[in-house]
Amino acid sequence: EPEVTQTPSHQVTQMGQEVILRCVPISNHLYFYWYRQILGQKVEFLVSFYNNEISEKSEIFDDQFSVERPDGSNFTLKIRSTKLEDSAMYFCASRTTTGDGETQYFGPGTRLLVL
Amino acid sequence: AQKVTQAQTEISVVEKEDVTLDCVYETRDTTYYLFWYKQPPSGELVFLIRRNSFDEQNEISGRYSWNFQKSTSSFNFTITASQVVDSAVYFCALSSMNRDDKIIFGKGTRLHILP
Repeated sequence: EPEVTQTPSHQVTQMGQEVILRCVPISNHLYFYWYRQILGQKVEFLVSFYNNEISEKSEIFDDQFSVERPDGSNFTLKIRSTKLEDSAMYFCASRTTTGDGETQYFGPGTRLLVL
Repeated sequence: AQKVTQAQTEISVVEKEDVTLDCVYETRDTTYYLFWYKQPPSGELVFLIRRNSFDEQNEISGRYSWNFQKSTSSFNFTITASQVVDSAVYFCALSSMNRDDKIIFGKGTRLHILP
């Protein structure tokens, strides 16, 4: 069964460093999302992406964040200068437009720790 | 504004007991989706169910059942004959029926099934 994959599964970085989190959505999906979950808290929406542009972003998604679909398969989230409070689990999700198009399928997450 | 409230932060039951997880939502949309996701200790988000706002039929899937009541804006989840493997955090969530809308999650209910 097709699934969303994310790399790396864990990343440790120093405050101020740039990180890129990678996602490979399900191949025929057209809508892509990033969410984050700070340890012990709820899952929060960051950004949605469709047709090579951001559809919607939350207040969390400030200028330090950017997303890109560099090729036909990858979808990346970049944090330019990480802060301690960026430590969280980051989930990528994708969905299609037909059939079961209303369901977002989530990847396994990348656990980011900023020291 | 959209909001999902899961008033039960943590629940413990003995194996084989039935348990109901409560979910109350708020939305101004007339059409929307409701979801339940399971997050086991390994951290991934496992999709359990999606309901449309115009379909109030209750659903049963094995030991799982869902009770959707628009009149009370509730979408409760019942596990029958609970098992230790059901131990996880369960998130109720909501999204509008827009083309690319985000999912709004509740804070989750941590369920402990005691052997």
